[in-house]
Amino acid sequence: AQSVTQPDIHITVSEGASLELRCNYSYGATPYLFWYVQSPGQGLQLLLKYFSGDTLVQGIKGFEAEFKRSQSSFNLRKPSVHWSDAAEYFCAVGAKGGKLIFGQGTELSVKP
Amino acid sequence: DTGVSQNPRHKITKRGQNVTFRCDPISEHNRLYWYRQTLGQGPEFLTYFQNEAQLEKSRLLSDRFSAERPKGSFSTLEIQRTEQGDSAMYLCASSPLASGIETQYFGPGTRLLVL
Repeated sequence: AQSVTQPDIHITVSEGASLELRCNYSYGATPYLFWYVQSPGQGLQLLLKYFSGDTLVQGIKGFEAEFKRSQSSFNLRKPSVHWSDAAEYFCAVGAKGGKLIFGQGTELSVKP
Repeated sequence: DTGVSQNPRHKITKRGQNVTFRCDPISEHNRLYWYRQTLGQGPEFLTYFQNEAQLEKSRLLSDRFSAERPKGSFSTLEIQRTEQGDSAMYLCASSPLASGIETQYFGPGTRLLVL
């Protein structure tokens, strides 16, 4: 069965520092992968997605992610974090019917 | 493109009452999805529609839950005889594609609290 694992429940970084959020997936075929961000009490906003092609994908707000098939990973990165990046981040894989299977999320806190 | 809207945004009800949520997808989006998100967890798939046809229901969707999309536009999710375990954020998303996998656009959610 398809699944997504986000090993880090909570991460704290200093403003201006680099960020990497981990995501591992389990899927038999070529995965369709997504990163979404959720601010408190809000819906989910798409940061970026990978369907095929270049394994390094660029997204909004300066985020990027790299698909590594050999490691079944799709880690999210940002070179310099801003205080406004504090939120919950979800990795997801697309499954049959187009539904998304989400990881449990990583909560990001940013220290001033 | 006004985005996905959901109403109400918050609902407090007593155990045993029925509640109904509405989702208005982005205009002309074929697919509409419902997810449930409990505290500290990622969203979990409940059901989805392609136009007016309900094509899949998760095992999470007990017989107390029913969803409709009567004209292939807006959708409603009804929970009958609510239980405290139904307390969660209910998210709706829509997608333009009629098949395959495509980006889903999420609404702000309806937060349900069952007392």
